Amino acid sequence: AQSVTQLGSHVSVSEGALVLLRCNYSSSVPPYLFWYVQYPNQGLQLLLKYTTGATLVKGINGFEAEFKKSETSFHLTKPSAHMSDAAEYFCAVSAVDSSYKLIFGSGTRLLVRP
Amino acid sequence: DVKVTQSSRYLVKRTGEKVFLECVQDMDHENMFWYRQDPGLGLRLIYFSYDVKMKEKGDIPEGYSVSREKKERFSLILESASTNQTSMYLCASSLSTGNYGYTFGSGTRLTVV
Repeated sequence: AQSVTQLGSHVSVSEGALVLLRCNYSSSVPPYLFWYVQYPNQGLQLLLKYTTGATLVKGINGFEAEFKKSETSFHLTKPSAHMSDAAEYFCAVSAVDSSYKLIFGSGTRLLVRP
Repeated sequence: DVKVTQSSRYLVKRTGEKVFLECVQDMDHENMFWYRQDPGLGLRLIYFSYDVKMKEKGDIPEGYSVSREKKERFSLILESASTNQTSMYLCASSLSTGNYGYTFGSGTRLTVV
């Protein structure tokens, strides 16, 4: 079955440190890939997406992600964490059987220490 | 700004009540989805709809039904609410092409007592 794996349910970084949230997926066809962010008691907001073209994609709030087909990965990074980045982050991949359906990872909660 | 609007942010209902959660989108999206979100379990798909009056079961449809009479509105119905349906419910919509991803509503936190 198709899957999305986010390594680490919780990641803790210091303010100003590099943020790295990992996402690996399975797909038998070229996927669409997404990262979403969820702040407490809110819905999910699109951070960035990869559909075609350049494999390094930039999103909102200084985040970026790189699609690596050989590694089936789409890791999310930010050079310098800010306190406001504390949230839960979800990786998602388009379903093989219908591209408009997304398969979500289980989420990674990012904690930012002062 | 385009939006997905969920009618209530917080709801408290009694066990056995019939509960309606409403979701409206103004983006002319073909597809609409209902998820529930619980700590440690991520997002779980309840139902989705790819057209008016069309619906398909997701991963956890038991105890739920849906209605889509108009393109912009997708309702989730808890036929007889139970305490194990206490959760955050998220509605989303998308285009049929899929490459834009989902747009989510703000969520409804339902408590069944």
